[in-house]
Amino acid sequence: DTAVSQTPKYLVTQMGNDKSIKCEQNLGHDTMYWYKQDSKKFLKIMFSYNNKELIINETVPNRFSPKSPDKAHLNLHINSLELGDSAVYFCASSQAANTGELFFGEGSRLTVL
Amino acid sequence: AQKITQTQPGMFVQEKEAVTLDCTYDTSDPSYGLFWYKQPSSGEMIFLIYQGSYDQQNATEGRYSLNFQKARKSANLVISASQLGDSAMYFCAMRGTTGANNLFFGTGTRLTVIP
Repeated sequence: DTAVSQTPKYLVTQMGNDKSIKCEQNLGHDTMYWYKQDSKKFLKIMFSYNNKELIINETVPNRFSPKSPDKAHLNLHINSLELGDSAVYFCASSQAANTGELFFGEGSRLTVL
Repeated sequence: AQKITQTQPGMFVQEKEAVTLDCTYDTSDPSYGLFWYKQPSSGEMIFLIYQGSYDQQNATEGRYSLNFQKARKSANLVISASQLGDSAMYFCAMRGTTGANNLFFGTGTRLTVIP
């Protein structure tokens, strides 16, 4: 069983479209995250939720909207996609907000044409 | 503010040799954790090793060990007996205990193991 799973793994879409990436963890963790990895491999936090509550919201365009229906799920919706949104998006989870390593999903590669 | 620095964009090592990947950090948190992750070409992020700032001993996990020098604010990863499968990007990361609770990542080091 995959601990942190995200879908889709690959997403190719046109500029201006709206798309979602879904993430689920079966580890019983309280905290979930979205990271963006750019073409230079730099990993940057976007959002973090603890027990469905948003606790980190970095400087991200408001076209990006996370949603956590329960503590096992954290989805990312992106409106009006732009070329610069092309990246690999990683979902991750940790046992609690301030402890433990992050367990990452396999990443979702988004390509905006 | 927290900062992680990896000054080696790329490293080469001969198979079966040991290699050290450098990581320095800066934080005002009295307590923090340091992590190393491996990202092979397949793209997944694999947790390797963890060091707590108050841990008395350097962390070890199999062929991985963390050379933690608190006064120098360095947390270098040592990989012993390198294998071809060790070729990957390696990221150092830090989490403090106050303020934001996410991991801050360095820019990574690409390790290539030469047969």
